[in-house]
Amino acid sequence: GAVVSQHPSWVICKSGTSVKIECRSLDFQATTMFWYRQFPKQSLMLMATSNEGSKATYEQGVEKDKFLINHASLTLSTLTVTSAHPEDSSFYICSPLSGTYNEQFFGPGTRLTVL
Amino acid sequence: QKEVEQDPGPLSVPEGAIVSLNCTYSNSAFQYFMWYRQYSRKGPELLMYTYSSGNKEDGRFTAQVDKSSKYISLFIRDSQPSDSATYLCAIKGGFKTIFGAGTRLFVKA
Repeated sequence: GAVVSQHPSWVICKSGTSVKIECRSLDFQATTMFWYRQFPKQSLMLMATSNEGSKATYEQGVEKDKFLINHASLTLSTLTVTSAHPEDSSFYICSPLSGTYNEQFFGPGTRLTVL
Repeated sequence: QKEVEQDPGPLSVPEGAIVSLNCTYSNSAFQYFMWYRQYSRKGPELLMYTYSSGNKEDGRFTAQVDKSSKYISLFIRDSQPSDSATYLCAIKGGFKTIFGAGTRLFVKA
């Protein structure tokens, strides 16, 4: 099956700092990457969609200047939470779309805690 | 009205029980229906995928879709403690996938 990695798996940071989360598809190429956020006991909420080499499309209510997404290659995408605040504490999950299988796979998630 | 409604539970059952998980959706344009399992602090993993009304079986899992009622179900037979997780239904139309809130399931040994 498809393997997706996320790094780090968890991170604690101080308010005002920036955090970068990496997502890699290890054995397939992802033409499209979805980034989700999941608060405790809630469902996945789509934050943004990005295509390799293009600017990301953000969902309503998601600040593009705060959540910077880079999809520089077909196997790597990054999400940077800039000037993080406690309300940004959440579980962030990447989901690459396999062009070969036309299926979304999910990373293991990154738990961000902002103090 | 949410596009996908799912009872968050929690649902607690004894080992060996048949579990029924359900979702309703509002937009008939969505054509693909999925069930994901998510263990605590992990990403979701795809369990079942279907695009037509009727039943689809895979081992102890059966996915059921009723497009006329906009109702989807997942049945788990002979439930095991290892089935304890959150189960999310998802519907997909075109490029967009919408997830239900997830139902937390506990299977007691």
